[in-house]
Amino acid sequence: AQSVAQPEDQVNVAEGNPLTVKCTYSVSGNPYLFWYVQYPNRGLQFLLKYITGDNLVKGSYGFEAEFNKSQTSFHLKKPSALVSDSALYFCAVRDGLRNDMRFGAGTRLTVKP
Amino acid sequence: AAGVIQSPRHLIKEKRETATLKCYPIPRHDTVYWYQQGPGQDPQFLISFYEKMQSDKGSIPDRFSAQQFSDYHSELNMSSLELGDSALYFCASSLRLPGATGELFFGEGSRLTVL
Repeated sequence: AQSVAQPEDQVNVAEGNPLTVKCTYSVSGNPYLFWYVQYPNRGLQFLLKYITGDNLVKGSYGFEAEFNKSQTSFHLKKPSALVSDSALYFCAVRDGLRNDMRFGAGTRLTVKP
Repeated sequence: AAGVIQSPRHLIKEKRETATLKCYPIPRHDTVYWYQQGPGQDPQFLISFYEKMQSDKGSIPDRFSAQQFSDYHSELNMSSLELGDSALYFCASSLRLPGATGELFFGEGSRLTVL
């Protein structure tokens, strides 16, 4: 079975500070990991994914994520947060055995000016 | 670039009524997914189709059915609506890459309100 966990319901950071949104995963096969962002009443927008290769993945809007196999984690990071980054962030996983994608519970990021 | 198109964007129904949601995937995408997102919840996978055949099934109630048509658009039919069916329904599409490594592209969602 494939699943992801986002241990923090909410993350608050000040504008200009680095941000981290945490995600851990559990899969029976190879982990294919994704981050999505959702603004109010909008669809999910793809940010980045890890399939294979470098553990540090760069994505849209200056976001990056680090894949750590030993810790089964895929934390989302950004060196300098913007107020406009405030949104709901979802970590997701596919294990290559099923054709669906499973999402974590989501983390609400609030960046204060 | 063309995105996933969902209609209607908003729908209000009474209990026990029927609703149909439509989804038009990104051109050349061969897989369509339906997700349900309740208030403050993460998206829950309902069902997916690959090349017009049902591919995987998630937590879709028996009162719901879906299909994908020859032009690749998909419809989600919901009958005997209950208050708990009020949610945002997302359609997503993707290319079926080897190992299911592709990202899903989501529509803006259809908000169903059951009164």
